[in-house]
Amino acid sequence: KQEVTQIPAALSVPEGENLVLNCSFTDSAIYNLQWFRQDPGKGLTSLLLIQSSQREQTSGRLNASLDKSSGRSTLYIAASQPGDSATYLCATYNFNKFYFGSGTKLNVKP
Amino acid sequence: DTGVSQDPRHKITKRGQNVTFRCDPISEHNRLYWYRQTLGQGPEFLTYFQNEAQLEKSRLLSDRFSAERPKGSFSTLEIQRTEQGDSAMYLCASSLPTGGHTDTQYFGPGTRLTVL
Repeated sequence: KQEVTQIPAALSVPEGENLVLNCSFTDSAIYNLQWFRQDPGKGLTSLLLIQSSQREQTSGRLNASLDKSSGRSTLYIAASQPGDSATYLCATYNFNKFYFGSGTKLNVKP
Repeated sequence: DTGVSQDPRHKITKRGQNVTFRCDPISEHNRLYWYRQTLGQGPEFLTYFQNEAQLEKSRLLSDRFSAERPKGSFSTLEIQRTEQGDSAMYLCASSLPTGGHTDTQYFGPGTRLTVL
């Protein structure tokens, strides 16, 4: 069974900082990996999807990388803003289902 | 169609009661997923449908849980004889796989269940 781990569990940074969130997974036989954002008490919003054949994806201030062989992905957020405060979840897609990590709770202080 | 909707958004029930949740996916999406999320954890897969067929069920889905998608559109998740351990956020997601193992799932706002 796929195990997905996210480090750190929580992160607090001042506005404007660049930051990196980490995701690791045990089974490298994934079809893709997605990063999601979850605001308190809300559903999930997909941020970036990286296919297993790709190394990275970018959207605005977000950049996600994937190293399938080592079972790692990172989400880079540039010039963080208070509106980025949320929980960020990574999920691998194997065998027709998603396996989620427990998330990194990000707080960006003004 | 503005997205995946779930009803109710919140449900408080007493232990032993039955509850039913509804999910309406994005209209053209043929896949529908149910997940359960407890506090501080990521969502855990429960089951998914391709059109009206339930293709997979997690071991988390005990015999007290049943899900249906009778016409391949909306889905219901019923929990019988609720237990306090069933308290969680129940999330629904839908997708339209386009091949190449790309399956971007769109999530609803969830139903928060509290069992007293």
